[in-house]
Amino acid sequence: DGGITQSPKYLFRKEGQNVTLSCEQNLNHDAMYWYRQDPGQGLRLIYYSQIVNDFQKGDIAEGYSVSREKKESFPLTVTSAQKNPTAFYLCASSIRRGSTDTQYFGPGTRLTVL
Amino acid sequence: AQKITQTQPGMFVQEKEAVTLDCTYDTSDQSYGLFWYKQPSSGEMIFLIYQGSYDEQNATEGRYSLNFQKARKSANLVISASQLGDSAMYFCAMISLGGNQFYFGTGTSLTVIP
Repeated sequence: DGGITQSPKYLFRKEGQNVTLSCEQNLNHDAMYWYRQDPGQGLRLIYYSQIVNDFQKGDIAEGYSVSREKKESFPLTVTSAQKNPTAFYLCASSIRRGSTDTQYFGPGTRLTVL
Repeated sequence: AQKITQTQPGMFVQEKEAVTLDCTYDTSDQSYGLFWYKQPSSGEMIFLIYQGSYDEQNATEGRYSLNFQKARKSANLVISASQLGDSAMYFCAMISLGGNQFYFGTGTSLTVIP
């Protein structure tokens, strides 16, 4: 089945450690995105990538890094520079539908910093 | 810049009744897409329905319909015959034609009462 997978579902890390969240899609979508969601709030864009080997910062990129070496994969690294990394992280990919793109989401990764 | 406003933080509806979730948007673009997503307690964002700004008819997908009023810049979601499984957070979103960022509202929590 086609879809977007994120692993792991739950992740715990100690303060000061970097951690990488995985996102893979087999939908052949060109664009991929990372969002952060805090309790009771909407989604905030961290990074997005329109094509392989290219990505742009979103609204809250500080303390995060990404890579896009393959079309199917868009991993997110939460660095020790991120002051408050505990949150729910959602990965998405998009495809043109009508005159605009439509986004589809993975199941998310809940990161807790201990 | 685009902005999405969802003014109902929480809504209740009796099972089998219809419910309308409000969404207004602000954009100076002429061509754009509007979306609704459902987020159950598991966290995954589920795509529900899409409306293009130039679509003459309101979008429908099963029990979901989008009441699109372009002049008022509103894109309300109507859920008919509510079911207990409809209890979730609902997010309105938009993207402009040619744009590469999606903008999300803060969400509405819907509770279906037996």
